[in-house]
Amino acid sequence: EVQLLESGGGLVQPGGSLRLSCAASGFTFSSYVMSWVRQAPGKGLEWVSGISGSGDNTYYADSVKGRFTISRDNSKNTLFLQMNSLRAEDTAVYYCAKKDGIRGLNAFDIWGQGTVVTVSS
Amino acid sequence: DIVMTQTPLSSPVTLGQPASISCRSSQSLVHSDGNTYLSWLQQRPGQPPRLLIYKISNRFSGVPDRFSGSGSGTDFTLKISRVEAEDVGVYYCMQTTQFPLTFGGGTRVEIK
Repeated sequence: EVQLLESGGGLVQPGGSLRLSCAASGFTFSSYVMSWVRQAPGKGLEWVSGISGSGDNTYYADSVKGRFTISRDNSKNTLFLQMNSLRAEDTAVYYCAKKDGIRGLNAFDIWGQGTVVTVSS
Repeated sequence: DIVMTQTPLSSPVTLGQPASISCRSSQSLVHSDGNTYLSWLQQRPGQPPRLLIYKISNRFSGVPDRFSGSGSGTDFTLKISRVEAEDVGVYYCMQTTQFPLTFGGGTRVEIK
């Protein structure tokens, strides 16, 4: 079964750091672009960051550029998001999502259940 | 950045009746490879998003045929031919033509 399982969320003070993980299973992880998408409480979806299958290319939303770092370990089928200098406005559910480019969809076909990040003093 | 604008914000629908959601992009979503990477996602209450439609009009695996997508360039539409109770939720359009990837603000479909 194709699955994404996020972990690492929690409560952190403003200015603090957190590292999210997303464990993938059921597909050839290294073949796919992966992304993080977040959803603030009661709000819509916001794309945060993406990374190529090899990890050589990374992309960020302006709102997190310079503070967040996306990476992946293809030997462990795991995606990461290192979040530094956290702000209250980073409070959200963080989803990891798989982008299917191989079959030509170029769309997010698999989503995890999400992990909650709360930035508050 | 490409701005995605959805209308309406909310759509109260009677069971068995159709629903339509519009999505407009601030610039053309036609990629240099000739494809238009506009997708639609459904988010039921308390659930993660789920892919419904990709490349404007292609239903993803397992998606009922009452869902259909259409449009071109900068104007796109998602239609539900006959709304069922399980269709309640928020629907988002999304462009994956260029970074940064962007979503529409969402349209809530509810039963009247």
